[in-house]
Amino acid sequence: RKEVEQDPGPFNVPEGATVAFNCTYSNSASQSFFWYRQDCRKEPKLLMSVYSSGNEDGRFTAQLNRASQYISLLIRDSKLSDSATYLCVVPSGGYNKLIFGAGTRLAVHP
Amino acid sequence: NAGVTQTPKFQVLKTGQSMTLQCAQDMNHNSMYWYRQDPGMGLRLIYYSASEGTTDKGEVPNGYNVSRLNKREFSLRLESAAPSQTSVYFCASSEAGGRDGYTFGSGTRLTVV
Repeated sequence: RKEVEQDPGPFNVPEGATVAFNCTYSNSASQSFFWYRQDCRKEPKLLMSVYSSGNEDGRFTAQLNRASQYISLLIRDSKLSDSATYLCVVPSGGYNKLIFGAGTRLAVHP
Repeated sequence: NAGVTQTPKFQVLKTGQSMTLQCAQDMNHNSMYWYRQDPGMGLRLIYYSASEGTTDKGEVPNGYNVSRLNKREFSLRLESAAPSQTSVYFCASSEAGGRDGYTFGSGTRLTVV
């Protein structure tokens, strides 16, 4: 089993839709997690950190289910500008070894 | 506020050539990292430097060497480039050992022919 697995998508949704991505991880000792956003041919940028059961920032909500070892990212009221690849990130043996999922691509259309 | 600066942005090498990718950060971060990103795969850690004066191997260190020149700069060297090293290389830095996430540079697109 890969350390971090994501559905590659793409998820094609209309503006205003709610969309959710899941990510599963294998290291049960991981305590905190991250979601990064990566635009085409750009660098990843930190979107949210998830330190406990979840985190909310405006239209974005991240939830953590430790028992099932998955993390989810919910985007409400999708905007065209949300179109990007979303990377799930899990520490492996410490924060100096972040493991990145391959990403889930989101395309929001008018 | 430049953040993390990588040079060059693009490079084409012939098999067997060597080159050094440069990375500098101006955020006074202690930790720095080199990742590579290939299509359909997540970013993979090549080497990292938890603090000035230390370097450690990541997931895919073979074929690479690194130097933490000072607190600001962390370079990645390919001694004898191979086509399998064609990739996008990202440098990143973090404060607090990565607990608050990483800041990435804009990447170097390397093609080895």
